[in-house]
Amino acid sequence: AQRVTQPEKLLSVFKGAPVELKCNYSYSGSPELFWYVQYSRQRLQLLLRHISRESIKGFTADLNKGETSFHLKKPFAQEEDSAMYYCALSGPNYGQNFVFGPGTRLSVLP
Amino acid sequence: GAVVSQHPSRVICKSGTSVKIECRSLDFQATTMFWYRQFPKQSLMLMATSNEGSKATYEQGVEKDKFLINHASLTLSTLTVTSAHPEDSSFYICSARDGGSSSYEQYFGPGTRLTVT
Repeated sequence: AQRVTQPEKLLSVFKGAPVELKCNYSYSGSPELFWYVQYSRQRLQLLLRHISRESIKGFTADLNKGETSFHLKKPFAQEEDSAMYYCALSGPNYGQNFVFGPGTRLSVLP
Repeated sequence: GAVVSQHPSRVICKSGTSVKIECRSLDFQATTMFWYRQFPKQSLMLMATSNEGSKATYEQGVEKDKFLINHASLTLSTLTVTSAHPEDSSFYICSARDGGSSSYEQYFGPGTRLTVT
């Protein structure tokens, strides 16, 4: 069965430090992977998806099929990056088997 | 950008009554809409996927007769919690996919907090 794991519930880093939010998945086939972010008192929004291979707000994520991982990285964390981050997976037919990970709360300290 | 609204934002109802939550795509046609449930300090759990004009597909463990989903138009989907009980109290979130886009992106509504007393 499809599954997304995010091992850290809470991750605290200092401003300017590198940050890596871990995400691992299990899926038999070729999934689409996403990162969603929820800032305080705001709705969930898409941060990035693996097929677009883009960098949003300085964040990047590379799909590693061998390790079944999709870790989110940023070289220099900013205080405004503090938020809840969810890794998510979708089957090849959009919406099929859409699963969210448990989420990691990132706290960037001044 | 694409906007999804939900109404109401908060609702309190008595046990045994039914509550309807609306989800609207404001500036795009949503061929597919999703309903999620989120418990405090937990992740989103997909309840069902609805395609315009057809029956919703429910995830395993979600009662179809309790959580009625209707997606009658390309801009509106409704979730009705029937005969609500206190354990149905939760945060319900909808999302929608733009039918005119090849993107897999889901646009999320702000959520509806349901409290059953």
